[in-house]
Amino acid sequence: IAGITQAPTSQILAAGRRMTLRCTQDMRHNAMYWYRQDLGLGLRLIHYSNTAGTTGKGEVPDGYSVSRANTDDFPLTLASAVPSQTSVYFCASSPAGGSYNEQFFGPGTRLTVL
Amino acid sequence: GQNIDQPTEMTATEGAIVQINCTYQTSGFNGLFWYQQHAGEAPTFLSYNVLDGLEEKGRFSSFLSRSKGYSYLLLKELQMKDSASYLCAVRDRDYKLSFGAGTTVTVRA
Repeated sequence: IAGITQAPTSQILAAGRRMTLRCTQDMRHNAMYWYRQDLGLGLRLIHYSNTAGTTGKGEVPDGYSVSRANTDDFPLTLASAVPSQTSVYFCASSPAGGSYNEQFFGPGTRLTVL
Repeated sequence: GQNIDQPTEMTATEGAIVQINCTYQTSGFNGLFWYQQHAGEAPTFLSYNVLDGLEEKGRFSSFLSRSKGYSYLLLKELQMKDSASYLCAVRDRDYKLSFGAGTTVTVRA
């Protein structure tokens, strides 16, 4: 069982380019999340999806878009990358509902925008 | 929204006890989580509190006081492998997490 996988592991991207970060989970979790982690700021929620077919905005959604066509995949797209989007991006998933359900995190994608 | 504060860094000696405090202000509290994150790795779940009191899991314990907006994570019998960042996260009623900036714990021999 792989859990959550993310691709690519790292990427250097020229400003203005379009980039899609991939996230796949095999735990059949309904909820999925995208965070960015920057030094001194901690993890900040970009977008989330409580179930396939629905998405919502988190704390820092500008410049990012997501889609949730099925349960397993939750790609994050940067339409036109800017240097301030240089960060480590983590995808996470969680079973829906219930009081105890923690989020499981993928290994992360380190993105550098030049 | 959530406002979550925790110390930036703490240092302790192998075998000792360290307590990491977390204070929060929230518009809708639905549980508090602690995660551990080693450098260059993903966060991993440590503990969860939704009711007041102490939850113990081996060497790690977590405490919550909802009326005070306060939690702490207690790490006992520190080991070198406990050197990591510890993240306090508050969940809202929509099941979204807001994270503190994290506390980097350094364990010295």
